[in-house]
Amino acid sequence: DQQVKQNSPSLSVQEGRISILNCDYTNSMFDYFLWYKKYPAEGPTFLISISSIKDKNEDGRFTVFLNKSAKHLSLHIVPSQPGDSAVYFCAGGFNTGKLIFGQGTTLQVKP
Amino acid sequence: EPEVTQTPSHQVTQMGQEVILRCVPISNHLYFYWYRQILGQKVEFLVSFYNNEISEKSEIFDDQFSVERPDGSNFTLKIRSTKLEDSAMYFCASKFDSYSNQPQHFGDGTRLSIL
Repeated sequence: DQQVKQNSPSLSVQEGRISILNCDYTNSMFDYFLWYKKYPAEGPTFLISISSIKDKNEDGRFTVFLNKSAKHLSLHIVPSQPGDSAVYFCAGGFNTGKLIFGQGTTLQVKP
Repeated sequence: EPEVTQTPSHQVTQMGQEVILRCVPISNHLYFYWYRQILGQKVEFLVSFYNNEISEKSEIFDDQFSVERPDGSNFTLKIRSTKLEDSAMYFCASKFDSYSNQPQHFGDGTRLSIL
């Protein structure tokens, strides 16, 4: 079972506040996890990743948290900006390169 | 910043016809991938390619599909006899090496419409 799930199809946040996007997985064999952002008519754009042996990775406004016991990861965006409005995908990755994607969460950041 | 380019952006093909989707990965990348996204569904892994051979393929990637790196720059996905259910966005991706801290970079996709 290689499922990655994003249970919230959409999220709306006020500009300047924190956006928290969540992702659950069932396969303990993932070697790493990634978050991608996608605008309409474009391909996924890499945001941030985390190794399965870490519990946190931070890059500017983006932080990813990994809770292995709960098989849960989250992406925090602080502060949120209107340009962050997009579809966000989490993905589990194997060292072979194969990625398993979640369904995506549409984030809307309101000015 | 270097990017993965895919052509055409939209391909319309009659059912049963062959189609070739083209990709130019980032020039120093060594690992190449195809994914697809059927409308309203997840992005799904199709195949990975390294050192001129398939490294891994999904159950979707049956005998109707093939990949090729015909020269030093292009990476193609061929569907031999298209079916209606092949209609999807097809994304090409590339990666420099196999380490997990190197993310895959995606092209903007080819929308394949089978009539």
